[in-house]
Amino acid sequence: QVQLQESGPGLVKPSETLSLTCTVSGGSISSYYWNWIRQPPGKGLEWIGYIYNSGSPNYNPSLKSRVTISVDTSKNQFSLKLSSVTAADTAVYYCARQTSGWYPFAYWGQGALVTVSS
Amino acid sequence: DIQMTQSPSTLSASVGDRVTITCRASQSISTWLAWYQQKPGKAPKLLIYKASNLESGVPSRFSGSGSGTEFTLTISSLQPDDFATYYCQQYNSYPWTFGQGTKVEIK
Repeated sequence: QVQLQESGPGLVKPSETLSLTCTVSGGSISSYYWNWIRQPPGKGLEWIGYIYNSGSPNYNPSLKSRVTISVDTSKNQFSLKLSSVTAADTAVYYCARQTSGWYPFAYWGQGALVTVSS
Repeated sequence: DIQMTQSPSTLSASVGDRVTITCRASQSISTWLAWYQQKPGKAPKLLIYKASNLESGVPSRFSGSGSGTEFTLTISSLQPDDFATYYCQQYNSYPWTFGQGTKVEIK
């Protein structure tokens, strides 16, 4: 059974870069679509982007200028970097897996709360 | 971006009730629609994919229907474990987008 686990700092200062890692266990990170999704406190879900099989990532245009998603197959991990953060980026960040581009998010991490505050 | 609009935003119901949640897309998404259940402090859980297909392990009281721009999630007989927030999500075109959620509360 595949499991995903987010890790990273829970507090980031405004204008700095948010960095999170998702560790995948119970299966290889090769193949599949590896996503980041976020949820501000008390609000809905926003898809951030994905990376597929170490190929070119695909980002939400609303965040594209600030987002980088990368994968480290040797560690079975993929990562999110979000630059120039503001309080509006405070959210629970989830990593999630799609089996293909034509299948939704069947596997999710437990989520990591990141607060942007000085 | 494709806008997903759910109704109602909040629904009060009793155990045993039949519950229906509607999701409308701002343009046709064929049947590329998923439904998720989320409980407080937890990640969303996939219930339905491709509009009407039940994810493995999901109880059969959940069902989905629709195509194009209008979709429904039905819970045939609401159980205590079903009180949660439900989200629809389109995966027809990027960026993937979600509805704003429907909270199912105890009446």
